[in-house]
Amino acid sequence: GENVEQHPSTLSVQEGDSAVIKCTYSDSASNYFPWYKQELGKRPQLIIDIRSNVGEKKDQRIAVTLNKTAKHFSLHITETQPEDSAVYFCAASMVDSSYKLIFGSGTRLLVRP
Amino acid sequence: EPEVTQTPSHQVTQMGQEVILRCVPISNHLYFYWYRQILGQKVEFLVSFYNNEISEKSEIFDDQFSVERPDGSNFTLKIRSTKLEDSAMYFCANAGTGSYGYTFGSGTRLTVV
Repeated sequence: GENVEQHPSTLSVQEGDSAVIKCTYSDSASNYFPWYKQELGKRPQLIIDIRSNVGEKKDQRIAVTLNKTAKHFSLHITETQPEDSAVYFCAASMVDSSYKLIFGSGTRLLVRP
Repeated sequence: EPEVTQTPSHQVTQMGQEVILRCVPISNHLYFYWYRQILGQKVEFLVSFYNNEISEKSEIFDDQFSVERPDGSNFTLKIRSTKLEDSAMYFCANAGTGSYGYTFGSGTRLTVV
């Protein structure tokens, strides 16, 4: 089955700097890759997603890139702010199947003011 | 924005007891899921449910677990005989046809003592 690896497990950046989180997946049939932000004790919230027919997607300070050949995708956050501090999870799915999400192990991002 | 509601928010139960976790999904979203998250770990897929039947389940979802839509709207997860290792946050999730983004519920924290 699908396996998603995520790194780093923790990331500390200065406010205003960029943060990059990377994920790799094992199943080449996966075609949907969402990113979730989870604050302590809260539900995961979708922040951006990308389908396999697109190489890059951007939404204001957040962007995701996908390399299908290498089977990896990355989250880029620019101009980080203290409120970006949270745990970020990548996930992979096949939308033509049961559409279950297989999550990475998470990255704890700390933005220092 | 439509929400997925879960009850209770926190449940404490004795080992061996049965628990039922409840979810009220978004009305026109037909794909239902249960995920769990052990404290400090990643979100793990349990089961997907579509057209009133299970479409896929993980190895975690053994004979102690069951799901149903008892009244066509609520979506429940039952654990027949809880174990200490069932202690986790359980999230219901919902997806609509043609929509790739999941909506996660607020979660139920299950503590087995």
